[in-house]
Amino acid sequence: NFMLTQPHSVSESPGKTVTISCTRSSGSIASDYVHWYQQRPGSAPTTVIYEDNKRPSGVPDRFSGSIDSSANSASLTISGLKTEDEADYYCQSYESSNDVFGTGTKVTVL
Amino acid sequence: QVQLVQSGAEVKKPGASVKVSCKASGYTFTTYAMAWVRQAPGQGLEWMGWISGDNGNTNYAQKFQGRVTMTTDTSTSTVYMEMRSLRSDDTAIYYCARLKGYCIGGFCYGGSGNWFDPWGQGSLVTVSS
Repeated sequence: NFMLTQPHSVSESPGKTVTISCTRSSGSIASDYVHWYQQRPGSAPTTVIYEDNKRPSGVPDRFSGSIDSSANSASLTISGLKTEDEADYYCQSYESSNDVFGTGTKVTVL
Repeated sequence: QVQLVQSGAEVKKPGASVKVSCKASGYTFTTYAMAWVRQAPGQGLEWMGWISGDNGNTNYAQKFQGRVTMTTDTSTSTVYMEMRSLRSDDTAIYYCARLKGYCIGGFCYGGSGNWFDPWGQGSLVTVSS
């Protein structure tokens, strides 16, 4: 199975932009969709991006997703950072009957 | 609205078994598979497997095969996850999550492109002697 590696943590000031990468260890990042989840402290995860770049209803357009095949990675970008965005973020993808989660990134809003 | 409500916290001794439930509401239960994901204290998310809502077919992560059984009760729209031979490193929050994205003929299963939405509130299982 492949792995999805994310930076351990990122931090930025309110109003700024952060980008979280999710790098696939083997196989193509484009071979299946990548999805992103937000997990606030003490809560269950919720979907912020599905199928690479789609936002569920209720998720603000400050959240966006993309794929970079040349880097074999996916990215989650949060613009206009707010204190409420402080959370852990996980990417997820699929291959050969197995789902794989990324290692997780803690976003701190300074 | 779609809701997944899980059973409460459990404390078990090593070697024992635990059965966690997840009651679904707000949608037609048989049309979606349900997955289980666990999270050890301070750690990331770990996929355990899924069970289909219509015919009870299962797909377990290799790590859990032989030790985990997922079942459904369509009469109560409830999914169960039983784990046997518990060890201290099984201490974790166990989440159920509905599977979306891989749908055939109006039924959604685990498969290419699937994602998890929504999630239950989680059930803490503590394994300690």
